[in-house]
Amino acid sequence: GAGVSQSPSNKVTEKGKDVELRCDPISGHTALYWYRQSLGQGLEFLIYFQGNSAPDKSGLPSDRFSAERTGGSVSTLTIQRTQQEDSAVYLCASSPDNLAGQQETQYFGPGTRLLVL
Amino acid sequence: SQKIEQNSEALNIQEGKTATLTCNYTNYSPAYLQWYRQDPGRGPVFLLLIRENEKEKRKERLKVTFDTTLKQSLFHITASQPADSATYLCALPNRDDKIIFGKGTRLHILP
Repeated sequence: GAGVSQSPSNKVTEKGKDVELRCDPISGHTALYWYRQSLGQGLEFLIYFQGNSAPDKSGLPSDRFSAERTGGSVSTLTIQRTQQEDSAVYLCASSPDNLAGQQETQYFGPGTRLLVL
Repeated sequence: SQKIEQNSEALNIQEGKTATLTCNYTNYSPAYLQWYRQDPGRGPVFLLLIRENEKEKRKERLKVTFDTTLKQSLFHITASQPADSATYLCALPNRDDKIIFGKGTRLHILP
């Protein structure tokens, strides 16, 4: 079956431009996470969607970052007025609910490599 | 808040030996703990989950232990192979069920 897909796989942009990164989670997965990973660093949590609940935006580094999840499926992460420090790999993951309504295993996409010049 | 500590230094192990990686957490004991593998340029891949009432979990050459007294999980790879070289991440749920990750430990299996 299809896994988590992300697009584009690579994005080069100029400082100050806006970018949109897309994540298609596994069908039926209720939870969706966005992470950022800089070279050689760990995963930095950005935002978490769970079903119809309000998203947990506590990891977004600034108000230039926003994300949407439409219809409980596809998600878009938008970075406005990109800065060079935004350059990183942006990873999306989705999780199914277990019987207790908790999300356990995360299934990651391949990531979008963003380079801001 | 919960913090996860993994050895940030790379671990070099001779092929055929057992590699042991450590994950420590600082606060409350989670209901479960996970280990993921990440290869360069790829997203993490789930390996094993161990619950708080399980002392040990095995999958092929992998073994995970969970000691809630020590607030520690150990991840073992027996009969290690160069193909096991990767970064291994520990993850666990926060109080709001949000999964948080450690920074990972890089493992090099030397032929």
